[in-house]
Amino acid sequence: AQSVTQPDIHITVSEGASLELRCNYSYGATPYLFWYVQSPGQGLQLLLKYFSGDTLVQGIKGFEAEFKRSQSSFNLRKPSVHWSDAAEYFCAVVSGGGADGLTFGKGTHLIIQP
Amino acid sequence: NAGVTQTPKFQVLKTGQSMTLQCAQDMNHNSMYWYRQDPGMGLRLIYYSASEGTTDKGEVPNGYNVSRLNKREFSLRLESAAPSQTSVYFCASSVSGDTQYFGPGTRLTVL
Repeated sequence: AQSVTQPDIHITVSEGASLELRCNYSYGATPYLFWYVQSPGQGLQLLLKYFSGDTLVQGIKGFEAEFKRSQSSFNLRKPSVHWSDAAEYFCAVVSGGGADGLTFGKGTHLIIQP
Repeated sequence: NAGVTQTPKFQVLKTGQSMTLQCAQDMNHNSMYWYRQDPGMGLRLIYYSASEGTTDKGEVPNGYNVSRLNKREFSLRLESAAPSQTSVYFCASSVSGDTQYFGPGTRLTVL
């Protein structure tokens, strides 16, 4: 069965500093990978996705992620965080081309220090 | 274009009561999903519908039933609510295998 691990439950970063959120997946076939963000009391918004091709993908709000098959990782990065980036971040995987639901990691709570 | 809508936004039930959570999408998506979100657990799939007329169990289906009423609507029913079903419920839709778009959620408390 597929699984997603986000090793960091909480991360605290100073405003203006760089950010990397880790995500490791376990899946036998070609995965489709996603990062979603959830602000308090809100639904989930897609930041970016990887299906195939270039392993460095760009998303909204200045985020990017790199797919590394050899490490089974899909880490999310941002060069300079803003206070508005404080939120819960979820990595998710789905079988390529299937209509099965997403398998989510447990999330990383991002705190921004002024 | 409203995307994915869910009703109600909040609900409080007593143990043993029943209720139906409603979900509708206006993006002409084939696939629809129900998830629950619990603190520290991420989101877990309850049921999904790959296309109109089909439904399948996800990771945590016990205590729930679903109906894919038509292409737009996918409802989730709790026949006899239990405190363990206190959660935030999200509906999502997608073109099969592609990005899932989420509704705003329903916060359910079972006393």
